[in-house]
This record gives sequence, structure tokens and C-alpha cells, in this order.
Amino acid sequence: GQNIDQPTEMTATEGAIVQINCTYQTSGFNGLFWYQQHAGEAPTFLSYNVLDGLEEKGRFSSFLSRSKGYSYLLLKELQMKDSASYLCAVDPDQTGANNLFFGTGTRLTVIP
Amino acid sequence: EPEVTQTPSHQVTQMGQEVILRCVPISNHLYFYWYRQILGQKVEFLVSFYNNEISEKSEIFDDQFSVERPDGSNFTLKIRSTKLEDSAMYFCASSVGQGARTGELFFGEGSRLTVL
Repeated sequence: GQNIDQPTEMTATEGAIVQINCTYQTSGFNGLFWYQQHAGEAPTFLSYNVLDGLEEKGRFSSFLSRSKGYSYLLLKELQMKDSASYLCAVDPDQTGANNLFFGTGTRLTVIP
Repeated sequence: EPEVTQTPSHQVTQMGQEVILRCVPISNHLYFYWYRQILGQKVEFLVSFYNNEISEKSEIFDDQFSVERPDGSNFTLKIRSTKLEDSAMYFCASSVGQGARTGELFFGEGSRLTVL
């Protein structure tokens, strides 16, 4: 089976930096994705990593270590609108479409 | 900006009834997906569709589920005889291609299904 773990909840202060960790054990690996999901809304794509290392995209960065089965999402200069769930997802299949397995998500609350 | 659209946004149905959820993927996308999210739980993969046939399906996608692309734009999920446990938000998604670099999934706003 596929197993993706991430913390259930985190709280951080506006303007600060927060790191959301994700560990995975999957049957294969074809990329790791981070999505943001505001309550009652659809997930929206934030980042993907397929090779080891850091991918930076504005205030958001994502890191991957395939040997450790580990990724993190780094959010800088936190804003109140960043309060949302952050979903770690892995595509374990090296053939076919991107059939993602999601973690349960980390609910981030940004406080003033 | 192109987007995935879904209808209805919310449907209430009686147990045992058939339900069809509709999706219009982004026009130049080739891969289509259905995911579901039971309230408070994680997003779960149901099925992927490519070249007019199912590419992969999960254990959840049993015989009561079917998908169809009846014309060049719509992509539908049919649940033949709904059960209480089918109550969930159903998300349609599409992607240009496959793999990590072209496989970014664009999700629709979801169809909330409530089975009574």
C-alpha cells in the first residue's frame, strides 16, 4: 500500500516562516506534489519535485530527498491568506496518468 | 484562465438512486481524473481516463461506478446505486500530460454529493 504522513495541524505567526514535513512510503515514485486547499474549495497546485533538492517558487519552496522518502514545504513571509490545508501527494506509478495518493493534509493556521 | 468546471455543485439523493456528476476539463488537456474527499478525510483517487478509456482505477472504483466521455467536452462520473458512504465531495481534475513535469492536476470546484 501507499503511506503518506504529515502533521495534522500547525500554527504560525504572520510574517514568520513555517516548514511542513511529509514522509512517504510508496510502491514506486514518479514525483511528489504539494497542493493548497482552503476549506470547502478545490486543491490548487503549489509545487512538484521529482529530483532531489530544493525547488523555489516565490514565497514557497519545496524540498525532496528520495532516499529518505521525505519532503517539506517551506512558506516564507506568512500571510493570513496562507491559512489552509497543505496536501502532500505522491504519484507512485511510473506509467500512465498521474494518479496521486494524498496525505491527510496539514491544516495551517496563521495568527496575527 | 482556463479552468475545470463541474456540475452540479451540490446534489442530494436518496440511497439506491443513480447519480451523474458532470465535468468539463480544460480543453487541451488529455488526462482526466475523478477524486473524492469524504468530509474531514483525505483526497482519494478514484479513476483516471485517457484516450477514451480508463487508464487506472482504485479499489474504491467498483462496479457501481462508471465514467464516460460522451462528447468532446464532457467527462462524467456515474454512481449506479448510491450508498450512504458515497456521501463526499467529488473532484474532477485534468492534466496536459503525465509525469511530474506535465502532470500538474487542475481540479474543479467539486460536486458535493449527499446520500440520505
